[in-house]
Parts: sequence; C-alpha cells; structure tokens
Amino acid sequence: AQTVTQSQPEMSVQEAETVTLSCTYDTSESDYYLFWYKQPPSRQMILVIRQEAYKQQNATENRFSVNFQKAAKSFSLKISDSQLGDAAMYFCALLSNSGYALNFGKGTSLLVTP
Amino acid sequence: DAGITQSPRHKVTETGTPVTLRCHQTENHRYMYWYRQDPGHGLRLIHYSYGVKDTDKGEVSDGYSVSRSKTEDFLLTLESATSSQTSVYFCAISDPDRHTDTQYFGPGTRLTVL
Repeated sequence: AQTVTQSQPEMSVQEAETVTLSCTYDTSESDYYLFWYKQPPSRQMILVIRQEAYKQQNATENRFSVNFQKAAKSFSLKISDSQLGDAAMYFCALLSNSGYALNFGKGTSLLVTP
Repeated sequence: DAGITQSPRHKVTETGTPVTLRCHQTENHRYMYWYRQDPGHGLRLIHYSYGVKDTDKGEVSDGYSVSRSKTEDFLLTLESATSSQTSVYFCAISDPDRHTDTQYFGPGTRLTVL
C-alpha cells in the first residue's frame, strides 16, 4: 500500500516571504512520480510541480521548488516570494510506475497575509 | 491548460435517483479517471479508463459505474444515488504512451444528494 502524509493542516506566510510545505510518503516501488497540486477556492486542481523519483535533481518551476529526499521518502515544496494568489490548499500526491491511481495526502491550507 | 470540461458543474438530486456525470476532453489522451474529493480524505480514485470500452475499478468504486464509448468522453453513473455520494467529483486525463504520466484535472462537479 502507498501512503502520503501531509503533517501540516494549515500554514501561514507573509507576502514576499518563503514557506515550506512538508510531505512524506511510503511506497515499496522503486520507480514513481511525485506531484504537488494547488487547489484555490475555485476548486480547480492545478499542477504546481512534478518530480520523477529516478532523477536526483530537484524540480523547479519559477518560484516553486522541491526538496526531494528519496531515502527519507520526503518531498517538501518551497514557495519563494509568496504572493496573495498563492493562497490555496496544496496537495502532495504519489503515482507509482506500476499503477494508475494518484495517492493524495489530505492537504495543507496555505494562508498568505499582506 | 488541458482541455477538460465536466457537466453539470453543480447538481442537487434526491436519494434513489440515477445520476450521470460527463467528462469531455479535447486532448486525445488515452487514460481518463474519476476521483471524488471529501473533507479529510483528499482525492480518491473511483474508476479509470485506459481506452475506449476499457475500464477498471479504483479504490472507492462501490455504487458507481462508468462507460467510455469515445476517446473524448468518460461517463460516471450513480445508479441509485445515496447521501454518502454527496461529494465533489473530478475527472482527470493522462497519456503514459506519450510519456505524459501527469494527470490533469477538470473543474469538478459538486453533487449533493438529499
């Protein structure tokens, strides 16, 4: 069985500051993918960033970057220069190479204050 | 953004009535998925399809059926809706054959069963 754990139900950050959202996972697979999705109040699930487990280099997308620690099974998301529009629920998700279902964590609600 | 639409976007129905939700994509992706999102559970897979007329069950398939007669359309049917099926339903698409393992989501359908 695969599990994804997000231990921070809520986080808060001031505009222009940096925040890190935590995610740990468990899988017996050696080949898999990890994702962060953003869900704003509009409810749309938006892909933020994607990491392939076989790649050692951490993925980066503009102000968003990850710290992927494969041995520790940790996949944290760092948001730099936070903006009001970053306020949303963030979900960490795992997809094994042998399966089709995304396994989601329960989410972290991010509040951005002016 | 991937071309995925869901209809209806909102629906209120009564216990025992049949309900069909539609997902339509314009990306020609082979795989399509139905997830439900409930508080405290993240998103969970209901059914998925890996081609026209090829479908399989996900984690929470009881009480749901699906059909896919065309590449672009994936239907989710609740034969006899129950209050426990009140949820937000998301469709997603991907195409591993084209190395697109990332799942892209539709806008969601909020279903309320009274």
